[in-house]
Amino acid sequence: AQSVSQHNHHVILSEAASLELGCNYSYGGTVNLFWYVQYPGQHLQLLLKYFSGDPLVKGIKGFEAEFIKSKFSFNLRKPSVQWSDTAEYFCAVIHNDMRFGAGTRLTVKP
Amino acid sequence: GAGVSQSPSNKVTEKGKDVELRCDPISGHTALYWYRQSLGQGLEFLIYFQGNSAPDKSGLPSDRFSAERTGGSVSTLTIQRTQQEDSAVYLCASSLGKKDTQYFGPGTRLTVL
Repeated sequence: AQSVSQHNHHVILSEAASLELGCNYSYGGTVNLFWYVQYPGQHLQLLLKYFSGDPLVKGIKGFEAEFIKSKFSFNLRKPSVQWSDTAEYFCAVIHNDMRFGAGTRLTVKP
Repeated sequence: GAGVSQSPSNKVTEKGKDVELRCDPISGHTALYWYRQSLGQGLEFLIYFQGNSAPDKSGLPSDRFSAERTGGSVSTLTIQRTQQEDSAVYLCASSLGKKDTQYFGPGTRLTVL
């Protein structure tokens, strides 16, 4: 079945560590790609998105993601995480409709 | 401008009762979505409305679930004869069009006792 996979269920990092969260999808053809973040007690917010153009997209709060078409991937990165980045991160793909990954919980230790 | 709003924010009900959850999308957004988020799970697509077209109901888990969207704006998700496994956060999102960015509401936390 076509799907969106986030391989890391829970990631624990210390402040200032680098972050990479994986996202792979199995849809062929044109896709729109998103990363959403859900901070504790808050609703889902858009972190960044890719529709076309430069495959390296920059979002809010120093996050970036790279679309690699050949690998069907859209991994999220941040060079130096902060305690305030503790949240759940969801990858989403629009092909015919939007599908979300299961989410990755990030815990950043101060 | 105002974002997506949902009401109630919390709903506790007894097994077997019916519940109605409401979503007010962003003004001008023609697309509206309902999702379910269970503890430790991702977002499960339930139903999608686009303008005046017939809704995409492919994600509804059973015939106890239904939704309507009146006047192309407000939407109501109804769960009949609630079961304990219906306990979850129900999220609504809206977007300008089907392939555009979705903006989420705060959700309704449903607890079925």
